Amino acid sequence: AQSVTQPDIHITVSEGASLELRCNYSYGATPYLFWYVQSPGQGLQLLLKYFSGDTLVQGIKGFEAEFKRSQSSFNLRKPSVHWSDAAEYFCAVGAPNNAGNMLTFGGGTRLMVKP
Amino acid sequence: DSGVTQTPKHLITATGQRVTLRCSPRSGDLSVYWYQQSLDQGLQFLIQYYNGEERAKGNILERFSAQQFPDLHSELNLSSLELGDSALYFCASSVGAGETQYFGPGTRLLVL
Repeated sequence: AQSVTQPDIHITVSEGASLELRCNYSYGATPYLFWYVQSPGQGLQLLLKYFSGDTLVQGIKGFEAEFKRSQSSFNLRKPSVHWSDAAEYFCAVGAPNNAGNMLTFGGGTRLMVKP
Repeated sequence: DSGVTQTPKHLITATGQRVTLRCSPRSGDLSVYWYQQSLDQGLQFLIQYYNGEERAKGNILERFSAQQFPDLHSELNLSSLELGDSALYFCASSVGAGETQYFGPGTRLLVL
């Protein structure tokens, strides 16, 4: 069964600083990987996804993530954080097959941004 | 705005009651997924429908059931509600069974 670990429950960074959110997954083959963001009281917005090909993927709002098969990781990065980035971030793994594509989510990382 | 709509936004009910949550997928999407987000369990997959047929099942309780109608909207029925069913219920949709899922704003259920 697939699983996702986000080791950092809370992260606080200063506005303008760089950001890296960690995600490790467990899955037998190459999974589909996703990062979603959830602002307070809101739904989940897709930031970026990796299906295959280039292991560095670009997303919305200036985010990027790198798939590293050897480390079973898919870390999310942003070079300069804005106050509006404060939210909860979820990494997810999908395992599409004939039965469907259920997503397994990590526990989430809550990002706080200091002015 | 993802294009996925869910109603109602909030629902307050009592233990033992039954409620129905509704989801309309993005235009053109055939697959609908239901997820539950709670403080203790996090985000968990419940069930998936593809073009009216159940496709995959996750940690869905027997008290819960879902269906997808010919117009592709879906309903999640929760019965004999318990306090622990209080959670945010998300619907997501995708074009096919293995495509990117887009999430609705969720229905917040409070069982008193």
